Amino acid sequence: DTAVSQTPKYLVTQMGNDKSIKCEQNLGHDTMYWYKQDSKKFLKIMFSYNNKELIINETVPNRFSPKSPDKAHLNLHINSLELGDSAVYFCASSPDRAGGYTFGSGTRLTVV
Amino acid sequence: DAKTTQPPSMDCAEGRAANLPCNHSTISGNEYVYWYRQIHSQGPQYIIHGLKNNETNEMASLIITEDRKSSTLILPHATLRDTAVYYCIVRPGTSGTYKYIFGTGTRLKVLA
Repeated sequence: DTAVSQTPKYLVTQMGNDKSIKCEQNLGHDTMYWYKQDSKKFLKIMFSYNNKELIINETVPNRFSPKSPDKAHLNLHINSLELGDSAVYFCASSPDRAGGYTFGSGTRLTVV
Repeated sequence: DAKTTQPPSMDCAEGRAANLPCNHSTISGNEYVYWYRQIHSQGPQYIIHGLKNNETNEMASLIITEDRKSSTLILPHATLRDTAVYYCIVRPGTSGTYKYIFGTGTRLKVLA
């Protein structure tokens, strides 16, 4: 199936831990994104990579570090997790032209 | 901040057309209008986009006013599965490097 896939789907962890979320797309898209949806359901962009190059960084704390080993993968590593990091994180990809994004199904992160 | 304004909620009877309005009075000449929806807590799903002509695909129709300051998404025969939050977004469409800014959307409830 052509898609954007994220793992894990659910992640429960304690404050202070470090965790990673992985994202892969097999659509051949050039650009990938991480979005955060908080408890109030606002969707906010965090990062965007185009062909492994960081192009958007929306003043996200340094504890969040995206890594793109190739244009089909964009992983998100979070250090020293805080309660406020609890949210649903969505990965997405898009072609380099006028067209829609394809979103993954999300990773629900709960920090306790 | 989102550059679009949408009503917070709407109801529609099953089988009837759902018409979702969006105001984007500050839209620029190179900005497209995109529509997405988010069903429950799934990832947002691309529906349709357009620049100035009306567009139709298998999911919906998009009607853009001549002055491009507003648009309407039409779901011709709404079903219960169309219950979702619908987001109207404007952004330049010629490159994947431009980010979406999601507003609060319209929560559409399709009633049996």
